[in-house]
Amino acid sequence: EVQLVQSGAEVKKPGESLKISCQASGYNFVSYWIAWVRLVPGKGLVWMGVINPADSDTRYNPSFQGQVTISADRSTSTAFLQWSSLKASDTGLFYCARRDAYYSYMDLWGQGTTVTVSS
Amino acid sequence: DIQMTQSPSSVSAFVGDRVTITCRASQGIISWLAWYQQKPGKAPKVLIYGASSLQSGVPSRFSGSGFGTDFTLTITNLQPEDSATYYCQQALNLPLTFGGGTKVEIK
Repeated sequence: EVQLVQSGAEVKKPGESLKISCQASGYNFVSYWIAWVRLVPGKGLVWMGVINPADSDTRYNPSFQGQVTISADRSTSTAFLQWSSLKASDTGLFYCARRDAYYSYMDLWGQGTTVTVSS
Repeated sequence: DIQMTQSPSSVSAFVGDRVTITCRASQGIISWLAWYQQKPGKAPKVLIYGASSLQSGVPSRFSGSGFGTDFTLTITNLQPEDSATYYCQQALNLPLTFGGGTKVEIK
């Protein structure tokens, strides 16, 4: 089955680090870029950035540049989104999604990972 | 960044009705537009790409049109399972950007 499976919900304290994952299966992982998208209550979907698993070429939304790091491990067909020092404002729901190679829409989505940052 | 403006922000309609959602881009995006449906607690699902191409498996009551800056998503013969929030997304330039969403409710 073609799918993206994300890691489970996380509860962290401000200042802690976190790395959430997105494992692909059922297709050639290196053939599609993987994006990360945040769902902001009341504001909708926000595209955070995208990575090409073939060569780790990464593009960030300027709003998230320097705030998060996107990476990928071809050996495990897994993409990652990480924070080095969490803030309460990082609380939210994060999706990974596969980007169509030509039309640049997201055709396959993970189930989402909830991150809660609270002291 | 290309700004995407959706309207209305919410709409309520009866089963069987026709619902139209509009999306306007702050600059021309040719046909580089996708539409998504998101239900509570679920991941978004693509309905339309390339402004008017129906994603495989999506019911034909969903259709998309438009070019340049103005686009529409039309749901004909609205069904109870269409209750959801709908988003447009421009696919021309990075960062990819989404509209603010339209919540469709069934009366």
